[in-house]
Amino acid sequence: LAKTTQPISMDSYEGQEVNITCSHNNIATNDYITWYQQFPSQGPRFIIQGYKTKVTNEVASLFIPADRKSSTLSLPRVSLSDTAVYYCLVGDRNNNNDMRFGAGTRLTVKP
Amino acid sequence: GAGVSQTPSNKVTEKGKYVELRCDPISGHTALYWYRQSLGQGPEFLIYFQGTGAADDSGLPNDRFFAVRPEGSVSTLKIQRTERGDSAVYLCASRLAGGNEQFFGPGTRLTVL
Repeated sequence: LAKTTQPISMDSYEGQEVNITCSHNNIATNDYITWYQQFPSQGPRFIIQGYKTKVTNEVASLFIPADRKSSTLSLPRVSLSDTAVYYCLVGDRNNNNDMRFGAGTRLTVKP
Repeated sequence: GAGVSQTPSNKVTEKGKYVELRCDPISGHTALYWYRQSLGQGPEFLIYFQGTGAADDSGLPNDRFFAVRPEGSVSTLKIQRTERGDSAVYLCASRLAGGNEQFFGPGTRLTVL
């Protein structure tokens, strides 16, 4: 199972763009990169998944360079409600049990 | 539609007691996961079911922990002889076959006094 490294915490202000980078130097050919968000007293919630280049949805963008050894979750114009823990996971999405959670990045958005 | 539900939401027990935690996955989801989460940590994998069978129980910390999913839907996590170190939030998630994401329940907060 590929391991990931993320910053423990980040601070931002309302309206700013936030970029959280995850390192996964040992990513395998079949591995995808998945990000989850977790609010206090709730279970994690899927945000986005990608394999290479760029993926965008209504919540975030995911940038993956050609070597795939890192990825960046981009949250546009954050609000106070984006304060949460963000987890980066890598694993083979065709294997139902190939992804593990690390400690995540605690994002605090300030007014 | 209904999401993953877990009962009870909170459970307080005494050291040495037996507890059962229940998970109702999203209907039709064949994959089911149990995790344990301590304060300030990410979810720690415990066990994964594919249908009725435990496909991977490598995360169970010891033989006091056991989980079942007899009909391939509802699952029960069972903890015998609880210890104070078992105090945590226990999360359940389900996943559709071929799906990209796990859908998590709100968790059960277990406190062992």
